[in-house]
Amino acid sequence: QVQLVESGGGVVQPGRSLRLSCSTSGFSFSNYGIHWVRQAPGKGLEWVAVIWYDGSNKYYADSVKGRFTISRDNSKNTLYLQMNSLRAEDTAVYYCARAGNVCSGGSCYSDYWGQGTLVTVSS
Amino acid sequence: DIQMTQSPSTLSASVGDRVTITCRASQSISVWLAWYQQKPGKAPNLLIYKASSLESGVPSRFSGSGSGTEFTLTISSLQPDDFATYYCQQYNSFSFTFGPGTKVDMK
Repeated sequence: QVQLVESGGGVVQPGRSLRLSCSTSGFSFSNYGIHWVRQAPGKGLEWVAVIWYDGSNKYYADSVKGRFTISRDNSKNTLYLQMNSLRAEDTAVYYCARAGNVCSGGSCYSDYWGQGTLVTVSS
Repeated sequence: DIQMTQSPSTLSASVGDRVTITCRASQSISVWLAWYQQKPGKAPNLLIYKASSLESGVPSRFSGSGSGTEFTLTISSLQPDDFATYYCQQYNSFSFTFGPGTKVDMK
């Protein structure tokens, strides 16, 4: 079955960096775009970034543009999120989510989600 | 960027009730809208995509409608497992905006 498993979360000081990973199985990873979505404690969902199936296109939320980088290794069925210059407002559970198949151009919803990894930015 | 709003923010209902949640976009998104259900401590679960297409495995009591800027999610007969928070999301543009959520709780 389709599985996405996030890892790499933890406590980090403001201004420091962290890299999240999303390991996948149960589907042909290289055929799907993947999103990162986050949720601050007690708050709603916020889309963070998406990468196309082949890595050719990447899009970011304004709140993380220039600080976060999404990437993928199709040989390892793994997605990454490099987070630099972290701020307190980046504290959240970070989910990776597979892009669905019925899309508007290359813009797709998310059909399968991981269970999330918590990132806490605090001194 | 496209902004999404949802109403109501909280809805109190009983088992068996018909429940309707509204989602509005700040500009037309055609039919490129998804609905998700989320329970505390869990990842979101896709219910509806392309405004009205039911995701495989989702009970038929869930339905979606709308186009352009106004959309609705309807639960025809609320079940105990449906008490949760519901989010809409537009994917017409590469900003993938979520609505603020509607919490459905027990009356």
